[in-house]
Amino acid sequence: QQQVKQSPQSLIVQKGGIPIINCAYENTAFDYFPWYQQFPGKGPALLIAIRPDVSEKKEGRFTISFNKSAKQFSLHIMDSQPGDSATYFCAANAGNMLTFGGGTRLMVKP
Amino acid sequence: DTEVTQTPKHLVMGMTNKKSLKCEQHMGHRAMYWYKQKAKKPPELMFVYSYEKLSINESVPSRFSPECPNSSLLNLHLHALQPEDSALYLCASSQEGGARVTGELFFGEGSRLTVL
Repeated sequence: QQQVKQSPQSLIVQKGGIPIINCAYENTAFDYFPWYQQFPGKGPALLIAIRPDVSEKKEGRFTISFNKSAKQFSLHIMDSQPGDSATYFCAANAGNMLTFGGGTRLMVKP
Repeated sequence: DTEVTQTPKHLVMGMTNKKSLKCEQHMGHRAMYWYKQKAKKPPELMFVYSYEKLSINESVPSRFSPECPNSSLLNLHLHALQPEDSALYLCASSQEGGARVTGELFFGEGSRLTVL
């Protein structure tokens, strides 16, 4: 099973809030889990990524938490800003395939 | 230079037309990809070229024909498309090639295709 399930589909937070986006997978062959950020009219851009031997990774205001036993991972955005308003895709890689989650449209209100 | 450049940004074509989308990268990446993205959906993989050879074709209809003239260029030739093929077509590249595809993709801004 190659599916990656992402939730919520949309999310609205106030500036300074901490939006959390969750993803779950079934395929234990996945070995690399990137997150992509996409602004309207632009292509997706790699935001942060993690491998399953690590439980957490931080880059600036963005943190990935990874639970290998539960086959779940999540993105946290600390001190969110209106400029973070975008669509976020989790993804999982195995062999020759990168599988995307369905996406989360985040709006950060001023 | 860390960009993937796609042309044209917008394309409108009729169902009998032949057109091409172009993609260029100068990062020395050895794998290049075409994705299709519909509104409010994730990108869907179409083709992967690794070391200039087609390595993955995700059962894409033959009206889409990819071409990789060299390691920096990727084309997508379009012929006899249907209105449902209207979408954002994204090109991407990655550092690694061969049988293993890395999850670290660098995307272009896409070509917005409308088929009338």
